[in-house]
Amino acid sequence: DAKTTQPTSMDCAEGRAANLPCNHSTISGNEYVYWYRQIHSQGPQYIIHGLKNNETNEMASLIITEDRKSSTLILPHATLRDTAVYYCIVRVSGANSKLTFGKGITLSVRP
Amino acid sequence: EADIYQTPRYLVIGTGKKITLECSQTMGHDKMYWYQQDPGMELHLIHYSYGVNSTEKGDLSSESTVSRIRTEHFPLTLESARPSHTSQYLCASSEYRGQGGGYTFGSGTRLTVV
Repeated sequence: DAKTTQPTSMDCAEGRAANLPCNHSTISGNEYVYWYRQIHSQGPQYIIHGLKNNETNEMASLIITEDRKSSTLILPHATLRDTAVYYCIVRVSGANSKLTFGKGITLSVRP
Repeated sequence: EADIYQTPRYLVIGTGKKITLECSQTMGHDKMYWYQQDPGMELHLIHYSYGVNSTEKGDLSSESTVSRIRTEHFPLTLESARPSHTSQYLCASSEYRGQGGGYTFGSGTRLTVV
């Protein structure tokens, strides 16, 4: 699976949008971009995933660049409960593909 | 609402003891995984299973063993606990839905070996 690069940390104000970047310049055509988050050492929580089209669900939006070499996870109205480590993971499509976690980005939402 | 359960949530045990960490899921997922995570560090895959009677070692070498006798149950065992086994152990399950499927994680077991 392709590697991803994320900043170590970032913060944003409560109520504002949080835009979390991820670089995956070696992504191949059959690899999806997944985002998970982990709140205070709980089990990671699935957020969203996509291949090449932008995706949106009740938690977040995922914007993938046209060349697919980078993506941005957007939390439209960050709350204090969104403070967590966010993992951007590139994973090949397939029944037996596994999830490999990196260091992630620590998002701190300030009041 | 979590459909994957890990017990115990916390465990403090002496060196040399045998322990089993329990993981059960009610979603009928065929794939299950164990990850190990030290405080502030990355998650590392230590075991996985693609179905009953199927177990494989993960990316990080571990002295633990696993079994998969029933679809819903994937316990992890340490025959002789050591302080180096102190860590958080996270269980997950997934199903293949054409795009790989998302993982559902349990709340974890925080193990301390003294």
